[in-house]
Amino acid sequence: TQLLEQSPQFLSIQEGENLTVYCNSSSVFSSLQWYRQEPGEGPVLLVTVVTGGEVKKLKRLTFQFGDARKDSSLHITAAQPGDTGLYLCAGAGSGGSNYKLTFGKGTLLTVNP
Amino acid sequence: GAVVSQHPSRVICKSGTSVKIECRSLDFQATTMFWYRQFPKQSLMLMATSNEGSKATYEQGVEKDKFLINHASLTLSTLTVTSAHPEDSSFYICSAYRNPNQPQHFGDGTRLSIL
Repeated sequence: TQLLEQSPQFLSIQEGENLTVYCNSSSVFSSLQWYRQEPGEGPVLLVTVVTGGEVKKLKRLTFQFGDARKDSSLHITAAQPGDTGLYLCAGAGSGGSNYKLTFGKGTLLTVNP
Repeated sequence: GAVVSQHPSRVICKSGTSVKIECRSLDFQATTMFWYRQFPKQSLMLMATSNEGSKATYEQGVEKDKFLINHASLTLSTLTVTSAHPEDSSFYICSAYRNPNQPQHFGDGTRLSIL
């Protein structure tokens, strides 16, 4: 069983602060996806990283894929209350499966005004 | 806009009832769809992979006779929770991709509450 360890599990910060969420595994993934989910809704794809060492930016969000394609991080700069939600990382392609996703446990982020 | 539609969004029913949930890909054909289950404040757990025209592949520990999956067309997969009990109450989410090299797109989920 491939596991993705995501940390922290819960994070409560003030508006304007920076934060980083980590996603680590002992398995190599062909790609890694980050999703954001709001209560009562399905996850919405934020980004897919494919190449080891890749860095992608989405406004105030910066995503990084580790060189060995086993870990990833999400950094949010100057967090806003609208960033509140459940952030999920999901790895694809581990163990020979090209499409099954392995999800981390998620990080529940609360940004207080 | 949404590319995967899920219906209904919420179901409340009595114990022993069977409940059907639909998942549709709106603007693409999906030979493969996925069904997940999510408990409050937890991550998604894959239940099964739905394959058009063939039997679904269930994850370890998921009862195939309890959770019936039918993928009768390239745009529709259904999950039927048979003889539902309160412990089956959960948030059920489906997903689909255009092809294996594309990311999965998720439906908005179905909140199932068994009384």
